[in-house]
Amino acid sequence: QVQLVQSGAEVKKPGASVKVSCKASGYTFTSYGISWVRQAPGQGLEWMGWISAYNGNTNYAQKLQGRVTMTTDTSTSTAYMELRSLRSDDTAVYYCARGLSVTTPIDYWGQGTLVTVSS
Amino acid sequence: DIQMTQSPSSLSASVGDRVTITCQASQDISNYLNWYQQKPGKAPKLLIYDASNLETGVPSRFSGSGSGTDFTFTISSLQPEDIATYYCQQYDNLQLTFGGGTKVEIK
Repeated sequence: QVQLVQSGAEVKKPGASVKVSCKASGYTFTSYGISWVRQAPGQGLEWMGWISAYNGNTNYAQKLQGRVTMTTDTSTSTAYMELRSLRSDDTAVYYCARGLSVTTPIDYWGQGTLVTVSS
Repeated sequence: DIQMTQSPSSLSASVGDRVTITCQASQDISNYLNWYQQKPGKAPKLLIYDASNLETGVPSRFSGSGSGTDFTFTISSLQPEDIATYYCQQYDNLQLTFGGGTKVEIK
């Protein structure tokens, strides 16, 4: 069965960076892409961007351009999301999720990783 | 970015009631709309894709309709396990956006 298993919770100081991992199993990793979606405490869902696991092409949310980098390691079927220059309003649960392309439904989700930004 | 306006933001209904949620796009998105269910502390789950197609394994009491800018999500007979927050999401362009969510509670 399709599974996306994310790395554990992180606590970071403002201005630092965080890198969250997402290990995929149960499907051919390079046949799909990975979207990243975050959810601040008590708030709605915010799409952050998408990366093709086939060729590494990315599409980032305009709001996060310049602060976010998404990568993949096909040898381990793992996707990564790095967010830099962290602010308190980056505190959120970060989800990875599978999508065939950026314009197709997101059909499987990881369990989420809580990132807390606090001085 | 395409804005998605979802209403109501919350609702309370009795078991067996018909529940309807609407989502309006700020511009024509054809049928490029999905609906997700999120239970507390859990990741979202895809229920409806391409506005009206039921994802495999999802109960038939869930349905979706609409095209262009106006969309509707319906639970034909509310069940206790349907307590969750529901989100619409557009994928018409390369900047995906979600609606603000509708929290569904049991009266």
